[in-house]
Amino acid sequence: QQPVQSPQAVILREGEDAVINCSSSKALYSVHWYRQKHGEAPVFLMILLKGGEQKGHEKISASFNEKKQQSSLYLTASQLSYSGTYFCGLRSYNTDKLIFGTGTRLQVFP
Amino acid sequence: EADIYQTPRYLVIGTGKKITLECSQTMGHDKMYWYQQDPGMELHLIHYSYGVNSTEKGDLSSESTVSRIRTEHFPLTLESARPSHTSQYLCASSEWRSGSSETQYFGPGTRLLVL
Repeated sequence: QQPVQSPQAVILREGEDAVINCSSSKALYSVHWYRQKHGEAPVFLMILLKGGEQKGHEKISASFNEKKQQSSLYLTASQLSYSGTYFCGLRSYNTDKLIFGTGTRLQVFP
Repeated sequence: EADIYQTPRYLVIGTGKKITLECSQTMGHDKMYWYQQDPGMELHLIHYSYGVNSTEKGDLSSESTVSRIRTEHFPLTLESARPSHTSQYLCASSEWRSGSSETQYFGPGTRLLVL
């Protein structure tokens, strides 16, 4: 079953903060976050493993709540370059496939 | 920075034609993947490979086929293209590391339009 992301879209002014959530109905081993700009390939941001948290990119951090099977991506002091669609990719136990979420479109304006 | 390449970047072709989308990576990754993505939508896994001579179907049913004769090369073939195949096709690769979870690196994608 596909992970659900919320919100579907976010509009921000430069310097504002945003939170993107990703939830699953399955027990999770790891969560991967990607950003995709229009017409480009997804770019890896960071990975969160069960029992840990890793920061991977600029002023962007994330959390992983294993019990709730949820992950949140935090974007602070957003920049114009943050614009794009954010996808979470979830990996469950006993599989090495990623199932990608529904995506959150983020637009940052000056 | 990952080194994964896809050709062609854009392809417009008529119904019934056979096409092959190329994907190559120079990182020596064992695992490779093909995803299908419609504009603004989520990625769907259509094929993956654990290594040479290994191919598996993904979660989304696809009429395409793949092969993995060499580690660095993972082409996708459509024997007879149809308008329903119009989409973007993304190739990715990853490397297993002990105690970690693999990061997938994506190629630039091929945008396919079947008329």
